[in-house]
Amino acid sequence: DTTVKQNPRYKLARVGKPVNLICSQTMNHDTMYWYQKKPNQAPKLLLFYYDKILNREADTFEKFQSSRPNNSFCSLYIGSAGLEYSAMYLCASSRSGAGAEQFFGPGTRLTVL
Amino acid sequence: GEKVEQHESTLSVREGDSAVINCTYTDTASSYFPWYKQEAGKSLHFVIDIRSNVDRKQSQRLIVLLDKKAKRFSLHITATQPEDSAIYFCAADASSGSWQLIFGSGTQLTVMP
Repeated sequence: DTTVKQNPRYKLARVGKPVNLICSQTMNHDTMYWYQKKPNQAPKLLLFYYDKILNREADTFEKFQSSRPNNSFCSLYIGSAGLEYSAMYLCASSRSGAGAEQFFGPGTRLTVL
Repeated sequence: GEKVEQHESTLSVREGDSAVINCTYTDTASSYFPWYKQEAGKSLHFVIDIRSNVDRKQSQRLIVLLDKKAKRFSLHITATQPEDSAIYFCAADASSGSWQLIFGSGTQLTVMP
């Protein structure tokens, strides 16, 4: 099974409220990624976990948090959503190492009002 | 840091013709260049990649060319079929050996019958 699952598929949030997105995979991949994608733009890496080690991009460091309670699950947490957070959030997983194929989930479409 | 530019935002071809999607990158240290495909309503999935130790790779109807001198790589789809219609994303590793992928903004390919 090469499926990456994401929940929920659609999320409506109010400005200033927290948002928690969930991702799971059953491929025993040790690396999991979160991307943000806006229309007509490239997917932008927000952070990734290698095993239990979290790596966050410098320009999004304070905006997004994540946890990985076990190998299969990874969450993306926004403490206080702003209008600019409206986007598709894509989760992916891969084996460790550079040049490993990433398997993507269907995405969660977040709309902040 | 690395930047990847995908030159065609849309591309239309007749069924049976070839389609070419071009990307450029900025970091000479990049060494891994994958391509991902997103069909309507589905997740991104890997289609083909090329590494910097070769300049051409073929998988069935897909050919990837890499010109390191020009910092350019391209995806050629031969004998296009309607099921090739999708958004294609090129990507490059952030630097040689990096696990981070920098994506282009995508090319919507439409294959017309």
